[in-house]
Amino acid sequence: NAGVTQTPKFQVLKTGQSMTLQCAQDMNHEYMSWYRQDPGMGLRLIHYSVGAGITDQGEVPNGYNVSRSTTEDFPLRLLSAAPSQTSVYFCASSYGLVTGANVLTFGAGSRLTVL
Amino acid sequence: RKEVEQDPGPFNVPEGATVAFNCTYSNSASQSFFWYRQDCRKEPKLLMSVYSSGNEDGRFTAQLNRASQYISLLIRDSKLSDSATYLCVVNHPGGGNKLTFGTGTQLKVEL
Repeated sequence: NAGVTQTPKFQVLKTGQSMTLQCAQDMNHEYMSWYRQDPGMGLRLIHYSVGAGITDQGEVPNGYNVSRSTTEDFPLRLLSAAPSQTSVYFCASSYGLVTGANVLTFGAGSRLTVL
Repeated sequence: RKEVEQDPGPFNVPEGATVAFNCTYSNSASQSFFWYRQDCRKEPKLLMSVYSSGNEDGRFTAQLNRASQYISLLIRDSKLSDSATYLCVVNHPGGGNKLTFGTGTQLKVEL
């Protein structure tokens, strides 16, 4: 099993450009999420989904959109990139959010630089 | 008060030493507790879940203290390969049961 696959691994954008970070999992996980990690800030939740067709905002959703058309895929869209969005992005998934099902598996990360 | 707080370290210890980290959490209703390990520029990986009765996995022991609202991680006989950042993770029952991450404690094991 591949687990959680993120693409691209690295990306450089100019301010104002848009792009999509891809995330796919093959573990039949219902819960998927996007985090960003910045020095000294820890992992912060951007958006999450508890199943196909259902998404919700996390702690830092501004400037990002998500959709969940299938169980496997959960892309993150940057609408108009800003330097403040320079970060490492992690996609993570689990069977669910209840205790016992909520162990997260992470993708390898996507490093984004916005100039 | 932050939802999950950790001492950022770094903890510099010699190989073979025993080292312990604590993590405090703010929500007394939290039910899920984890320690994740993150190597430099890599993704976090589950080290161990933390159970009410405490649990051990080889050289690693995790404890939960509900009264004082903290979890701990004890590493015995430290190896060079234990050098990493250790992330404390707690669920947030009032916030859709999502998981909240601490900022991590950095461990450096030296010869």
